[in-house]
Amino acid sequence: KNQVEQSPQSLIILEGKNCTLQCNYTVSPFSNLRWYKQDTGRGPVSLTIMTFSENTKSNGRYTATLDADTKQSSLHITASQLSDSASYICVVSPYGDSSNTGKLIFGQGTTLQVKP
Amino acid sequence: DAGVIQSPRHEVTEMGQEVTLRCKPISGHDYLFWYRQTMMRGLELLIYFNNNVPIDDSGMPEDRFSAKMPNASFSTLKIQPSEPRDSAVYFCASRTLQGHHNEQFFGPGTRLTVL
Repeated sequence: KNQVEQSPQSLIILEGKNCTLQCNYTVSPFSNLRWYKQDTGRGPVSLTIMTFSENTKSNGRYTATLDADTKQSSLHITASQLSDSASYICVVSPYGDSSNTGKLIFGQGTTLQVKP
Repeated sequence: DAGVIQSPRHEVTEMGQEVTLRCKPISGHDYLFWYRQTMMRGLELLIYFNNNVPIDDSGMPEDRFSAKMPNASFSTLKIQPSEPRDSAVYFCASRTLQGHHNEQFFGPGTRLTVL
């Protein structure tokens, strides 16, 4: 069964600190892996996307890594800010969907709270 | 572009009432998705359309749920009759076939509370 699991479920850090969120998936084969950020009361917004051949992708203070052999991804946030407080969702797109629908498999998300 | 537009943003209703959620996808997008998000289950795909045609409704929980897309710029998700367990945030998302790696763009969601 295609699954995406994230850890930790929630995390509290102090402003300015770094943190790393984890994502393990069993989707195989897969086309790409995204990290979405979801602010409270808003819809998810894509932060990074990596295909199976990429192992790192950065977007400002956000850096995502991918190990396709171990089926693990991580999202590292550097020098956290209060505005980083949000849920971060790992999303995998299966490869081989002939209709190319873009049906996605979502993790449960990690809720990050950055405190001053 | 204003992005995906959903209305209402919040809906409070009583059990047994009919609820209609609305979505306007990004212009030019040919796929539209309806999701439900709860704390317990996260984001779940309910149904998706391609060129206004429903393709996969296997995620629709039961017959009380129905969705339509009468044209390329409008879709509705209807719950009749509503139940307290339907309380959740409902998201609409859209994408284009030519989009970057199947990226879906999400609306702001409708928070539904059924009393």
